[in-house]
Amino acid sequence: DTGVSQDPRHKITKRGQNVTFRCDPISEHNRLYWYRQTLGQGPEFLTYFQNEAQLEKSRLLSDRFSAERPKGSFSTLEIQRTEQGDSAMYLCASSSWRENDEQYFGPGTRLTVT
Amino acid sequence: ILNVEQSPQSLHVQEGDSTNFTCSFPSSNFYALHWYRWETAKSPEALFVMTLNGDEKKKGRISATLNTKEGYSYLYIKGSQPEDSATYLCLKDTGNQFYFGTGTSLTVIP
Repeated sequence: DTGVSQDPRHKITKRGQNVTFRCDPISEHNRLYWYRQTLGQGPEFLTYFQNEAQLEKSRLLSDRFSAERPKGSFSTLEIQRTEQGDSAMYLCASSSWRENDEQYFGPGTRLTVT
Repeated sequence: ILNVEQSPQSLHVQEGDSTNFTCSFPSSNFYALHWYRWETAKSPEALFVMTLNGDEKKKGRISATLNTKEGYSYLYIKGSQPEDSATYLCLKDTGNQFYFGTGTSLTVIP
């Protein structure tokens, strides 16, 4: 296993368009997390899954954001009707209870909304 | 303290110096405290996960301590090397919410 992967690495979109990002976690990890990072800030928690169940969503996650993990493996994060304020780095991480839920991060998807 | 705070925001040290940073967090709803190192153009790398008050963890020249009652953790780097240059982030884990600090940017000057 080569670690957590994310696709695409960069996305440029026009305001109002929908975008979808994919995260493939480390295969034996049961938890998967999404974060957003803007310049000069630490990553902000968006949501996380335990297997296929979405257990928690941040209040930051507006109705335009939706995440799924249909088979408890990969996850998608969709943003509908993008706004310029959505421009950020979107990070995915995965963890296993066997490793004290130490989170392993992917390289991130850089979103630019023009 | 309403947020997870880290200090200092940035730090420049000479190669060979020892250094330390602080992570302060609300002591309520505590499950674990994580430390990460984030180098430019790479993914954040996990350093430590600590759960118990008084925990101390060590990995090579880097060590960390945890005080859950007063809500702080220290990260120490002994004999800093240029490859230690990175942003160091702490993460407060409540079990179902996760709060990062804004990070300490460390530059080690050869």
